[in-house]
Amino acid sequence: DGGITQSPKYLFRKEGQNVTLSCEQNLNHDAMYWYRQDPGQGLRLIYYSQIVNDFQKGDIAEGYSVSREKKESFPLTVTSAQKNPTAFYLCASSIVFGTNYGYTFGSGTRLTVV
Amino acid sequence: AQKVTQAQTEISVVEKEDVTLDCVYETRDTTYYLFWYKQPPSGELVFLIRRNSFDEQNEISGRYSWNFQKSTSSFNFTITASQVVDSAVYFCALSEAVNDYKLSFGAGTTVTVRA
Repeated sequence: DGGITQSPKYLFRKEGQNVTLSCEQNLNHDAMYWYRQDPGQGLRLIYYSQIVNDFQKGDIAEGYSVSREKKESFPLTVTSAQKNPTAFYLCASSIVFGTNYGYTFGSGTRLTVV
Repeated sequence: AQKVTQAQTEISVVEKEDVTLDCVYETRDTTYYLFWYKQPPSGELVFLIRRNSFDEQNEISGRYSWNFQKSTSSFNFTITASQVVDSAVYFCALSEAVNDYKLSFGAGTTVTVRA
């Protein structure tokens, strides 16, 4: 079955460490996105990628970095510069860039800084 | 400024009751899309509906129905005869033509259906 796989489901990080969250899709979608979810808040856009080798900052990109070397993969690195990294991270994709065709979401990674 | 407001933080009902989730949005665009997503305990967001700004017809899909009213900038969602499996967080979201790649989400409403 086609879908988006995020791993790991739970991740613990010590303060000052970088950590990378994986997102893989086998839907042949061009566009991919990373959102952050905090308790009692909606999702906020971190980064997005329209096509391979291209990505742009979203609303809250500070302290994060991404790469898009393959169509299927869009990993997110949470760097030590991110002041409050504990959150639930959701990856999404769309067949083409834009919301007209809807997003498909992964099941998320819950990151906790200890 | 908050583009999507879901005023209800939590709603608890007994099975078979109807439940209505409110969503009020704000935009200056004349072309926009509204969405509802369901987030079960497993975490992924499940797409429920997309409605464009030019289509104000109400829609029914099984036990789900949506009421879109441009005059009040609202896009409310009703679950009829609720079931325990409907327990989840429900998000309303807006996509504007000027930034049509991005969804602006409301804070979500947690629905708990008790047996």
